[in-house]
Amino acid sequence: DIQMTQSPSSLSASVGDRVTIICRASQSISTYLSWYRQRPGKAPELLIYAASTLQSGVPSRFSGSGSGTDFTLTISSLQPADFATYYCQQSYRTLWTFGQGTKVEIK
Amino acid sequence: QITLKESGPTLVKPTQTLTLTCTVSGLSLNTSGVGVGWIRQPPGKALEWLALIYTNDNKRYSPSLKSRLTITKDTSKNQVVLTMTNMDPVDTATYYCAHTRWKPFDYWGQGTLVTVSS
Repeated sequence: DIQMTQSPSSLSASVGDRVTIICRASQSISTYLSWYRQRPGKAPELLIYAASTLQSGVPSRFSGSGSGTDFTLTISSLQPADFATYYCQQSYRTLWTFGQGTKVEIK
Repeated sequence: QITLKESGPTLVKPTQTLTLTCTVSGLSLNTSGVGVGWIRQPPGKALEWLALIYTNDNKRYSPSLKSRLTITKDTSKNQVVLTMTNMDPVDTATYYCAHTRWKPFDYWGQGTLVTVSS
């Protein structure tokens, strides 16, 4: 199995802050990496796929980068709706896995 | 507009088999390249990918749960069914189904909470 490790597990930030979350794969996954935001009590929402492609309708403050084993999600200016948990997910080959999540809390 | 909705029991007893149904609207499960997956999330914990089925009936399972899972589809009803055998309290979770087509899960159901308890 490909293991996905996110860091940090949680962070505190203020509205307007720039936030970066890291996701590392246990082996190369090319750019088969997606990011999701999950607000409390809600289903996850796809933000980024193919490592850096913004899903339709997602605000441009979200961006993704990376390839191989190391990936980042950046939120350029944190908004109230962004206080949530973020997950990366790999879809390389046939078996998909999620990271353990990064919770973004209000400072 | 693609929507997905999970249905099934909210409470199952240990050792029982869980059967969940995902009903898809706004898209035919006969459409080329379409997949429907199941993902679960124990209370307060991370997402866990369980299984995936494609239009061509190609099926994928999480290796850690493969022996307990079966995923099938009924294209006449536009539904995907997941069965999980030998349920245990650690399987208590919200179970989601989600759509994929050329990119990972872009549409999700609202989720259904399944509690395993005697």
